[in-house]
Amino acid sequence: QKEVEQNSGPLSVPEGAIASLNCTYSDRVSQSFFWYRQYSGKSPELIMSIYSNGDKEDGRFTAQLNKASQYVSLLIRDSQPSDSATYLCAVRAGGYNKLIFGAGTRLAVHP
Amino acid sequence: SQTIHQWPATLVQPVGSPLSLECTVEGTSNPNLYWYRQAAGRGLQLLFYSIGIGQISSEVPQNLSASRPQDRQFILSSKKLLLSDSGFYLCAWTRVRGGTNEKLFFGSGTQLSVL
Repeated sequence: QKEVEQNSGPLSVPEGAIASLNCTYSDRVSQSFFWYRQYSGKSPELIMSIYSNGDKEDGRFTAQLNKASQYVSLLIRDSQPSDSATYLCAVRAGGYNKLIFGAGTRLAVHP
Repeated sequence: SQTIHQWPATLVQPVGSPLSLECTVEGTSNPNLYWYRQAAGRGLQLLFYSIGIGQISSEVPQNLSASRPQDRQFILSSKKLLLSDSGFYLCAWTRVRGGTNEKLFFGSGTQLSVL
């Protein structure tokens, strides 16, 4: 069964620090990877997508992908209290654009 | 621009009662549509997906069913709710033509409590 694994946290970082969130996946043929942010009681919001090995930067966010190691990560620079949320890693699984989600990592940024 | 509407936002239902959750997408045609469920403190589980009117695929055996009576309408139903059906239900959509790089967007979700 295809799986996506994340450390549940909570990951606690001080304001202004770099938060590093990690994710591993089991399906070696996966090609598309996504990070979603979910505030408590709200629906997930897409923040990053990555399809090729290496780094992809968007503002304070950097996604990193290593297909050989089946590993994808999200770095958040200059973390703010408003970044406190659960971050979900998602991997495309087979056809029809279906995504498999990890259970999420809870991030807490403290002032 | 495309928007997805999902209602109701919250729902409290007794065990054994029926369920109907509705989702509609605006600003696009022939989207792929999905129903996910998130149990408390858990990840998202894909329940159903649809690639067209009347075409429904189930990912897990359960007490729920889905229907797609119109191109941009997706309905989640149950004839008799169980306690284990409680959770946060999310409708989502993607475009089709972009292939595997298409992004998945969620509606605002329905928090269902079965008592």
